[in-house]
Amino acid sequence: EPEVTQTPSHQVTQMGQEVILRCVPISNHLYFYWYRQILGQKVEFLVSFYNNEISEKSEIFDDQFSVERPDGSNFTLKIRSTKLEDSAMYFCASSDRTLLLSNQPQHFGDGTRLSIL
Amino acid sequence: AQKITQTQPGMFVQEKEAVTLDCTYDTSDPSYGLFWYKQPSSGEMIFLIYQGSYDQQNATEGRYSLNFQKARKSANLVISASQLGDSAMYFCAMREPGNQFYFGTGTSLTVIP
Repeated sequence: EPEVTQTPSHQVTQMGQEVILRCVPISNHLYFYWYRQILGQKVEFLVSFYNNEISEKSEIFDDQFSVERPDGSNFTLKIRSTKLEDSAMYFCASSDRTLLLSNQPQHFGDGTRLSIL
Repeated sequence: AQKITQTQPGMFVQEKEAVTLDCTYDTSDPSYGLFWYKQPSSGEMIFLIYQGSYDQQNATEGRYSLNFQKARKSANLVISASQLGDSAMYFCAMREPGNQFYFGTGTSLTVIP
């Protein structure tokens, strides 16, 4: 079964540095998402992306964050000037649905654990 | 107001018994979808089951069923014949029209041998 793959599985970065988290969504999917999960807390939506632009973003997704689909397969989340509170598990997800409500679930990657020192 | 509420931070169930994990939701939109995901200790998110707001029947997927009570705005997950491998965090989620998911805080399920 096709999978969403995320790299690296664990990223350790010094506070203030930039980090790029990478995702390869399922190949025929059109919608891409990033979520984060601070340790022991719920999964929080960050951003959704369709047709090479952001379709929705949450309050968490401020100017520190950006997303990009640099080629036909990768979907990246960039965090500039990282802070201690950015330490979390970051999940990428994709789905093959249109903008209409659908029963298609999002397929999640295994996550990247980001640790800011 | 919270979009998704899971009031049980932790649950225990005896192996082979059934267990119900509670989920209530809040939306004013008539079109929405409800999902349950399982998160084992390894961290990945595994889709379990879906219920659409217009579905007449409760969703079932193998040992998983969703007790959908629309008037009460609840979408409880029922796991029958619990197995040791069912021990995990379980998240209820909702999608309203659009591309944003709302997740609950999760319920940690422990299956006791």
